[in-house]
Parts: sequence; C-alpha cells; structure tokens
Amino acid sequence: GDSVTQMEGPVTLSEEAFLTINCTYTATGYPSLFWYVQYPGEGLQLLLKATKADDKGSNKGFEATYRKETTSFHLEKGSVQVSDSAVYFCALSPHGGATNKLIFGTGTLLAVQP
Amino acid sequence: GAGVSQTPSNKVTEKGKYVELRCDPISGHTALYWYRQSLGQGPEFLIYFQGTGAADDSGLPNDRFFAVRPEGSVSTLKIQRTERGDSAVYLCASSFSSGGSDEQFFGPGTRLTVL
Repeated sequence: GDSVTQMEGPVTLSEEAFLTINCTYTATGYPSLFWYVQYPGEGLQLLLKATKADDKGSNKGFEATYRKETTSFHLEKGSVQVSDSAVYFCALSPHGGATNKLIFGTGTLLAVQP
Repeated sequence: GAGVSQTPSNKVTEKGKYVELRCDPISGHTALYWYRQSLGQGPEFLIYFQGTGAADDSGLPNDRFFAVRPEGSVSTLKIQRTERGDSAVYLCASSFSSGGSDEQFFGPGTRLTVL
C-alpha cells in the first residue's frame, strides 16, 4: 500500500544553519504531496504542497520539490530560526479513488538552538 | 474565522467504557476526516465523510469504532468497550471539497486516555 518514509529525528541545528529533512514515498499513480508542521502546543497546519511531478512547493522560506524519478519530497530551508522548532510531517494523498485521506510519515522533530 | 474545534480536549475513561468525541468543522467544508495519532507517530487515517455519508471507513480498526455526521456538519466518533490501546490523540480535519490536493485544516485534537 501507499506509504511515506521520513528521516528520524531529532534534528538539532544552530540558528541560520541549512535544513534538509528527507522524505520518500511509495504510491501508485500520482499522489499529491504535503509537508505539515506542528508547533509546540498547536495543531497540525499545512506548510506547503505539490500536486504533480517537478512542482515546487514553498512557504515561509521552506521549499520542497516533487521528484517522481526518485519518489522524494525533501524539505529544505536555507537558514533556520529558533521559531522553526517543531515537528514536521511529510504526507501524501493518493491519486483518484473515493478517498482523499492523508498518509503521514512518522514525523521529524526539529530543534533549533540560538 | 473559526477553525476546526474538537471537544473535549481531554478525556480520561476506564477500560470497557463508551466514549464520544465531537468535531465541529469549518463552516461550509463538505469533507471531514478523523485521524488517530499515537505517541511518536504520524496521524493515521480512520474515516472520511463527504457530506453526511462515510465515503471511506477503511481505517477504522475494528467494529468498536463508529462515526456519524448526520447533518453534514458536526461529526461524532464513538468508541465502545474502550481498551488501553485506544489511548491516543484523535484528530479531526475538514476541507472545502474532496479534491486530493485540497488543504485539510486540523483541529487541536482530543487526547483520550483509557485507564
């Protein structure tokens, strides 16, 4: 079945460091891909998305490119801030069918130190 | 505007008891989803409603779990004969339509603890 695999955390970085969180997926067809973020004490919120191959999603300085050839959707940010500390979830929504459920990875905790 | 709300925020119950968890989606959102998140894991899909009908209930773990959305707005997740393994955060999400790329807006969750 469809699944998402993301790098285990925690990831600990100093402020202004470069961030990469790896995400790969297994799916039939052409799923939509998402990154959701959960800040401490808050609910899940959409960070960015991409709906077809080679699309780049971006928001708040974060970027991810839908790579069909490598079935990946890695999250990157050039310079992280303390306020980026959160849990990041990669997710996919299967293409077609009766449901638009999200299938999530296990999440990656990012801790940014001043 | 108001986001997705869930009540109660916390629920502690004893093994074998019945519980109901409520979700109020964003007004006008036709699609509603329930997920379950165990500690250290990502959310796991339970059930999806399009309007009043359950379009996909393939994620419900067994027949102790049931959900309704009688008027196409508020939804209730019902768990019978609770077990300790049911302890988790139950998340509700809604989206404007059922498009696969539509953003799902999540509520804060109900933390269920079964003693």
